[in-house]
Amino acid sequence: GAVVSQHPSWVICKSGTSVKIECRSLDFQATTMFWYRQFPKQSLMLMATSNEGSKATYEQGVEKDKFLINHASLTLSTLTVTSAHPEDSSFYICSARRGAGHTEAFFGQGTRLTVV
Amino acid sequence: GESVGLHLPTLSVQEGDNSIINCAYSNSASDYFIWYKQESGKGPQFIIDIRSNMDKRQGQRVTVLLNKTVKHLSLQIAATQPGDSAVYFCADAISGGYQKVTFGTGTKLQVIP
Repeated sequence: GAVVSQHPSWVICKSGTSVKIECRSLDFQATTMFWYRQFPKQSLMLMATSNEGSKATYEQGVEKDKFLINHASLTLSTLTVTSAHPEDSSFYICSARRGAGHTEAFFGQGTRLTVV
Repeated sequence: GESVGLHLPTLSVQEGDNSIINCAYSNSASDYFIWYKQESGKGPQFIIDIRSNMDKRQGQRVTVLLNKTVKHLSLQIAATQPGDSAVYFCADAISGGYQKVTFGTGTKLQVIP
């Protein structure tokens, strides 16, 4: 099956700093990648959809200047949480899809971000 | 999926019994439905999917039922095992293009040995 890898698995950062999370599709080319955020005991909430080579589409209420998404290649998307604050502490999960005609999305293992 | 709640509903079942997890979705345009299993601290794991032209699909020990009339999905797990303990999410999407997958409220399955 298709493998999606996230790095790091967990990160602790100081308030005000920025953190970058990587999402890689290891054995397929991902035309589309999705970024989700999940708070404890809650469902996954979609933050943004990114297509390779174009700007990400953000969901309502998600600040694009705070959560910078780059999808420069077909195997890598990055999410940068800028000027992180404790309320940004969450579980961030990416998923990747091959492209048009391929509906199934494959998920990474998630990144636990703790802002102190 | 429907709106997110602050507390996950919990289903407790005895090991060996069958489990039925239910889910409602709200988007009438959705034509692709997926069940995911999420263990603590991990990303969602694909279990089974179904398209809107079907009302039932079976996998290994799992069956998904789709009722488009009432926008309802269910996941049946046969002979539930301790390793099935996890949070289960249904998700829906519109196939084709780059449509996003929307997650429903999860259900925590606890298997009692």
